[in-house]
Amino acid sequence: LAKTTQPISMDSYEGQEVNITCSHNNIATNDYITWYQQFPSQGPRFIIQGYKTKVTNEVASLFIPADRKSSTLSLPRVSLSDTAVYYCLVGEVGTGGFKTIFGAGTRLFVKA
Amino acid sequence: GAVVSQHPSWVICKSGTSVKIECRSLDFQATTMFWYRQFPKQSLMLMATSNEGSKATYEQGVEKDKFLINHASLTLSTLTVTSAHPEDSSFYICSAGTSGRWELGELFFGEGSRLTVL
Repeated sequence: LAKTTQPISMDSYEGQEVNITCSHNNIATNDYITWYQQFPSQGPRFIIQGYKTKVTNEVASLFIPADRKSSTLSLPRVSLSDTAVYYCLVGEVGTGGFKTIFGAGTRLFVKA
Repeated sequence: GAVVSQHPSWVICKSGTSVKIECRSLDFQATTMFWYRQFPKQSLMLMATSNEGSKATYEQGVEKDKFLINHASLTLSTLTVTSAHPEDSSFYICSAGTSGRWELGELFFGEGSRLTVL
């Protein structure tokens, strides 16, 4: 599995857009990029997944450049409830061998 | 949406006893489930992959005789911590995937079970 690198923590204020970047220099051709959110004492929650370019859902957007060596999770207009740890995962899909290996994650603190 | 439930949410036990944690997929069939442990302020560490009807695959460094995993049905996997010791105290989390989706990396996680061994 490709190793991922994220900032350890980030601070933001309510109403701002937050962009969390993840580096995955060794990403393989068949790897997809998946982001999860985790609140304290809860299991992670799937946010978004993509392979290339841009993916958007009701929660976030995921930007992936052409070389796919990094990806950026964009959270529009964050609120206090978005304070959580965000994990970027990279892994091959479709072969039955996908493992959800978590990196250190990024702790996002949203302030009032 | 897909719901995964863990039970118990928290458990306290004496050193040397065994504890069983259940992971259930409530509204879908989970062919594959994963078990993790998480220490405070740390990331999740994958312990094992559990496939229905077959033996679990353990990650390197995880004692299979200590952490017994059973995935007897498409909706239930159990993790038994045998002869628990204080260092086994942790937050244990399971995740489950539905066929056709987990292969794409979309997994659904349980609420976690906090184990405290006295």
